Amino acid sequence: GEDVEQSLFLSVREGDSSVINCTYTDSSSTYLYWYKQEPGAGLQLLTYIFSNMDMKQDQRLTVLLNKKDKHLSLRIADTQTGDSAIYFCAEVNYGGSQGNLIFGKGTKLSVKP
Amino acid sequence: NAGVTQTPKFRVLKTGQSMTLLCAQDMNHEYMYWYRQDPGMGLRLIHYSVGEGTTAKGEVPDGYNVSRLKKQNFLLGLESAAPSQTSVYFCASNSAGSYEQYFGPGTRLTVT
Repeated sequence: GEDVEQSLFLSVREGDSSVINCTYTDSSSTYLYWYKQEPGAGLQLLTYIFSNMDMKQDQRLTVLLNKKDKHLSLRIADTQTGDSAIYFCAEVNYGGSQGNLIFGKGTKLSVKP
Repeated sequence: NAGVTQTPKFRVLKTGQSMTLLCAQDMNHEYMYWYRQDPGMGLRLIHYSVGEGTTAKGEVPDGYNVSRLKKQNFLLGLESAAPSQTSVYFCASNSAGSYEQYFGPGTRLTVT
């Protein structure tokens, strides 16, 4: 079945780069997403990438997609304490009457000053 | 636009009690979802709806019922609450043809 795997924790120092990794199983996914959840809040879409792309850059965020290995990563440059949150990777599941998102368990990013 | 709103924000129930969680969106989205979030489990889909008057089961539907009588509202009901339903519940919505979901702020439910 569909499964999205992420490491649960990542700790970095302020100013360093953070790299959050994700593996997915559904090779037919056309979109892959990164969501951010701050403490006590709902999920907020950070960025997404089309499956026909290898890389997408958006200010401090860089998404890399390796379709062969079904590996997705999110790089945050110059990580700030405000980036501390849980980051969810999600793929589209085309089962059922319409596509649903399948979320990973989330990676908790802690940024130390 | 308020986006996606959820009512209530917090609730404590005793085992066996019933309640309804309300989700409302003002973006005219066709699709709406209810998820639960538990520590170490990520987000799991409970039920979803692809339009007014239609609902479908997700990954963990047991113990919950839903209704979508109006396009902008999606209700999640617990008929007889159990401690295993202690969780944070999120509602989300998106427009047809898009998988970009917009999330509400969540409802924290505790069942004692």
